[in-house]
Amino acid sequence: DIQMTQSPSSLSASVGDRVTITCRASQDIINDLGWFQQKPGKAPKRLIHAVSILQDGVPSRFSGSGSGTEFTLTINSLQPEDFATYYCLQHRSYPYTFGQGTKLEIK
Amino acid sequence: QVQLQESGPGLVKPSETLSLTCTVSGGSISAYYWNWIRQPPGKGLEWIGYIYSTGKTYYNPSLKSRVIMSVDTSKDQVSLKLTSVTAADTAVYYCARELQLWGQGTLVTVSS
Repeated sequence: DIQMTQSPSSLSASVGDRVTITCRASQDIINDLGWFQQKPGKAPKRLIHAVSILQDGVPSRFSGSGSGTEFTLTINSLQPEDFATYYCLQHRSYPYTFGQGTKLEIK
Repeated sequence: QVQLQESGPGLVKPSETLSLTCTVSGGSISAYYWNWIRQPPGKGLEWIGYIYSTGKTYYNPSLKSRVIMSVDTSKDQVSLKLTSVTAADTAVYYCARELQLWGQGTLVTVSS
């Protein structure tokens, strides 16, 4: 299985900050990576697919980058609604695997 | 607007079979991959597998011996069965179309 190592596991930030979350894959996953946001009691919502393509309706303050084994999710100018848990997912190889999650909390 | 809704018993006894249905409204089952994902309380996400609308499946090897997925195109439903459940199978179960459109999830507790 491909292991997805996500860091940090938690992060405190303030409204207006810029934050970066990283996912490292245990092997090359080309660009088969997505980022999901999950709020308490809700289903995950895919923000980004294919490393950097924003889903319709996702604010442009979200961006993704990377290739191969290292990927980042950046959120510019944090808004109150962005405080949530974020997961990466690789779908290059079976079984698909998620990162452990990053909980983004208000400082 | 396409919506997914998971349904099934919220409580299953150990050693029995968990059975869930994902009903698609506002759209068709056809020509999509339908994924099942689960999340134990307070923990991360685990991909269970997928079924394509033609019936082709891929199951996570960690669950493969216990998972059965099926599709009913006449009812626009996909189903998940997980046999011989234990407390470790207690989780919120989600269906998702192509990993992009998710249902709200349903909590299944395994307990006697």
